[in-house]
Amino acid sequence: KQEVTQIPAALSVPEGENLVLNCSFTDSAIYNLQWFRQDPGKGLTSLLLIQSSQREQTSGRLNASLDKSSGRSTLYIAASQPGDSATYLCAVAGNMLTFGGGTRLMVKP
Amino acid sequence: KAGVTQTPRYLIKTRGQQVTLSCSPISGHRSVSWYQQTPGQGLQFLFEYFSETQRNKGNFPGRFSGRQFSNSRSEMNVSTLELGDSALYLCASSFLTDSGETQYFGPGTRLLVL
Repeated sequence: KQEVTQIPAALSVPEGENLVLNCSFTDSAIYNLQWFRQDPGKGLTSLLLIQSSQREQTSGRLNASLDKSSGRSTLYIAASQPGDSATYLCAVAGNMLTFGGGTRLMVKP
Repeated sequence: KAGVTQTPRYLIKTRGQQVTLSCSPISGHRSVSWYQQTPGQGLQFLFEYFSETQRNKGNFPGRFSGRQFSNSRSEMNVSTLELGDSALYLCASSFLTDSGETQYFGPGTRLLVL
């Protein structure tokens, strides 16, 4: 059974800092890995999708990497802004999408 | 294109009642998945429908059921509601591209069972 873990569970940083969110998974037989953002009380917004054959994907200030053999992915956020405050979730696609518990990010002005 | 829509957005029911939630996917998307999100268990997969057929099912009791119509709209039904069914129910639609199958989520239906 796939298990996805995200560390840290919560993070508070001052505006402008670069930061890294971590995601680990137990079963490397995956199709892809997706990073999502969730604002309080809202649905999920897809940020980046990395196929199992890829090593990384970039979108603006976001960069996600995938190391399937070690069961790890990282989401790098450059020059963080208060608007980045949200919960970030990683999800691994096997037969179904399995989510981590999320990292709650607070970027202070 | 319009995003994934879910109705109703909020719902209050009492134990023992049943409830039906609706999801309209993005136009052209044929796959619809349902998830339950609670503070204790996080996001858990309920089931996925593709072309009116259930393609995958999570580990939920039979009180949770769903269906998909020919226009790809989907409904999920929960019978004999329990207090623990209080949650945010999220629907996602997806479409397979060269980049993979990105899931697009709706805003969710928040269900409170009293």
